[in-house]
Formats: sequence, C-alpha cells, structure tokens
Amino acid sequence: GENVEQHPSTLSVQEGDSAVIKCTYSDSASNYFPWYKQELGKRPQLIIDIRSNVGEKKDQRIAVTLNKTAKHFSLHITETQPEDSAVYFCAAIKDGGSQGNLIFGKGTKLSVKP
Amino acid sequence: DVKVTQSSRYLVKRTGEKVFLECVQDMDHENMFWYRQDPGLGLRLIYFSYDVKMKEKGDIPEGYSVSREKKERFSLILESASTNQTSMYLCASSLRRWGSQQYFGPGTRLTVT
Repeated sequence: GENVEQHPSTLSVQEGDSAVIKCTYSDSASNYFPWYKQELGKRPQLIIDIRSNVGEKKDQRIAVTLNKTAKHFSLHITETQPEDSAVYFCAAIKDGGSQGNLIFGKGTKLSVKP
Repeated sequence: DVKVTQSSRYLVKRTGEKVFLECVQDMDHENMFWYRQDPGLGLRLIYFSYDVKMKEKGDIPEGYSVSREKKERFSLILESASTNQTSMYLCASSLRRWGSQQYFGPGTRLTVT
C-alpha cells in the first residue's frame, strides 16, 4: 500500500521568507496529491491539490510541484505571513482505484514569526 | 458552502462504555469518512462509506464500527471504549471517493478515563 513521508515535522520562518514542505510517496500509481492546512483548534481545509498529469500548480502565494520520477511533491509558500502558521498535511492516493485509501503525511507545523 | 457538523466538541467517557460519535453533512455527498488524529501520527482513516448502508474499513478499524442509515449521517461507534482510544476524531465528506476535496467537521475530542 501507499506510504507518505513528510518533512520537516516543524518549520520556523521569518515573516516574508519562503517555506517549503516536502513529501515522498511510495506507490508510483498514485495520481492525486492534496494539501490540507489545519489552523490551531480548527478543522483541516484543502488549500491546493495536484494531479499527476501536471508538474506544477500555483494559487497566489502557494504552489505545489510534483516529480513523478522521484515520487515526491512539495508545497511552496512565498512571502509568508503570520496567518500561514498552521499544521500542513500532504496526502496521496490513486484516484479511481478500487482499493486503497487517501494516505496522509504526519504533518508539518509551520510557525511564521513576525 | 459545505457544512459538516459533529455531535460533540468534547466528550469524556469511562473505560468500557459504548460511545457514539455522530456526523452530519448537508451537501448530499455520497462519501463520508471517519479519521483519528493524534500528535505526530497525522490523520488515520478508521472507516469510510460510499453509499447508504455501505461501509469499508480504513487503516485502523479495530475497536470501532460505523453506521450509515441515511445519506447525510455517518456514525462512529466505540463498542467498549478503552484509554488508547483517547484522541481527536474528525469526520469528513466528499463528492467523489478520493480525488475530490474532503470537507472536515470541527472534530470531537474524546477522553476515555
């Protein structure tokens, strides 16, 4: 089955700097990779996702890149702001498969210092 | 706007009690999920349901069961609560089984003493 490794587990940056969170997956058949953000005391919410037919996707200050050969994908946050402080989870799944579940990484706690 | 609600934000139960956690969604989603969230372990899938009365085991189903009698409602049942089931429980729903956004509920913090 799929296994997702996420690094780092904690990340501290200064406001305005960039932050990068990396995930690796084990199943080469995985083709859907969402990222969720969970602010303290709140529910996880999807912030961006990417499918295996594209290598990069951007949405304002956040972007996700996918390297299918190396089986890793990354979340990039530019010009970080204090409100970006949260726990970020990556996940992977073979969408359309009859078996297997959405597998989440263990999370990265991002702290943005003013 | 999708709304997923859970019956309790905080719950304290004793070892051996039967515990019911309820989740309701208002978007007519076919798929509903129950996750457990523990520090350093991320989100782990307990059970999911892709239709009324249908259920499938996730990664950690032991000690849990589920019920889906109506499309909008998905219940998680702890038949005999144990201290190692103390955790945050999150419900989610989605339009498609895996390749679409999952909308989470606010979570239930369960403490078993």
